[in-house]
Amino acid sequence: AQKVTQAQTEISVVEKEDVTLDCVYETRDTTYYLFWYKQPPSGELVFLIRRNSFDEQNEISGRYSWNFQKSTSSFNFTITASQVVDSAVYFCALSGYSSASKIIFGSGTRLSIRP
Amino acid sequence: DAGVTQSPTHLIKTRGQQVTLRCSPKSGHDTVSWYQQALGQGPQFIFQYYEEEERQRGNFPDRFSGHQFPNYSSELNVNALLLGDSALYLCASSPPPGSYGYTFGSGTRLTVV
Repeated sequence: AQKVTQAQTEISVVEKEDVTLDCVYETRDTTYYLFWYKQPPSGELVFLIRRNSFDEQNEISGRYSWNFQKSTSSFNFTITASQVVDSAVYFCALSGYSSASKIIFGSGTRLSIRP
Repeated sequence: DAGVTQSPTHLIKTRGQQVTLRCSPKSGHDTVSWYQQALGQGPQFIFQYYEEEERQRGNFPDRFSGHQFPNYSSELNVNALLLGDSALYLCASSPPPGSYGYTFGSGTRLTVV
């Protein structure tokens, strides 16, 4: 069975601090995709990143970075120099390798950035 | 290029009623999936439609049904509404095999009173 665990329910930091959101996943598939989505109060799911299981290279996009470690089944997300606009619920997710595969979401981490 | 469009954006229904939610996929996409997101939880897969047939289904009762039309748009129907059906319902579309582009709509917020 596929499962995504986000153990951190809520995180609160002061603006400009770095923060890491943890994600651990379970799957028996050898090929799969991992995702991070952001959900602001408006409710829309904002796609942040998709990473396939073949590519364990870390990725950086501006203040965002992702650390994929297949050996520990983890796909952690770090925001550097956090800003108030980063406040949202963040979901880690997992799917099969087909574009038609359903996506399995974690329960989310609510991130609050205090000014 | 319009993304995934859902209607209505908000809806209030009474227990026992029936509701229909609508989704228009992104241009070029032929597969539509529906998700339910209860308050404080991650989205959960309800079912997926392809070629006007249900291709996959999550762990949801038969009160949840759907339909896909020849133009790939889709409806989600929920019968005999329960208070627990109150949630954000998200539609996602994806393209034919060979490319990846799973795209979510903004959702329909359903409140059952």
